Amino acid sequence: SQQGEEDPQALSIQEGENATMNCSYKTSINNLQWYRQNSGRGLVHLILIRSNEREKHSGRLRVTLDTSKKSSSLLITASRAADTASYFCALPGTASKLTFGTGTRLQVTL
Amino acid sequence: DAGVIQSPRHEVTEMGQEVTLRCKPISGHDYLFWYRQTMMRGLELLIYFNNNVPIDDSGMPEDRFSAKMPNASFSTLKIQPSEPRDSAVYFCASSFTGGADPLHFGNGTRLTVT
Repeated sequence: SQQGEEDPQALSIQEGENATMNCSYKTSINNLQWYRQNSGRGLVHLILIRSNEREKHSGRLRVTLDTSKKSSSLLITASRAADTASYFCALPGTASKLTFGTGTRLQVTL
Repeated sequence: DAGVIQSPRHEVTEMGQEVTLRCKPISGHDYLFWYRQTMMRGLELLIYFNNNVPIDDSGMPEDRFSAKMPNASFSTLKIQPSEPRDSAVYFCASSFTGGADPLHFGNGTRLTVT
């Protein structure tokens, strides 16, 4: 199973700014998921985007998928302190296996 | 719905001891996954079950690790004997149908082996 590579590894922004994180992968996929992990907690599913979709929105989240470049991005608009967390992309593997990327640590300061 | 429940939240044990981690998935979910998270290796899939049957245990690091799912509402991950390098956060997750279905994670068990 392939693992997504996320960029940047860490990101620090001020409240109200936008945060963008990227996930790149090597082989074709049917879908890609994004998860958030708050400190000391389990991962929480944010959004799934399928290979025939280019963009998807959920509240302040916007996810894009460029299958030609084999990359996805997660944009959080008007960030809040509560958005401070690690964000992971997850790629499907054989059967029902899901492989998580290395994550981006986002710090939103007041 | 209470979500995926894991116990204990923290476990500190000495090298050589047996450790048992427990998980109760969300009712109605057919898939259950065990992951391990460390700073060095990130999130690793250890094993997953479908309808209580182990499907893929290729991620289990060694024979010291074993997992069972005796019924749809309970799973265990056992390490015997434990070693310091097993120190990590162990997560259980469940999903309804597998495939592209989102995973629902528990809050993990932080294991420290001294």
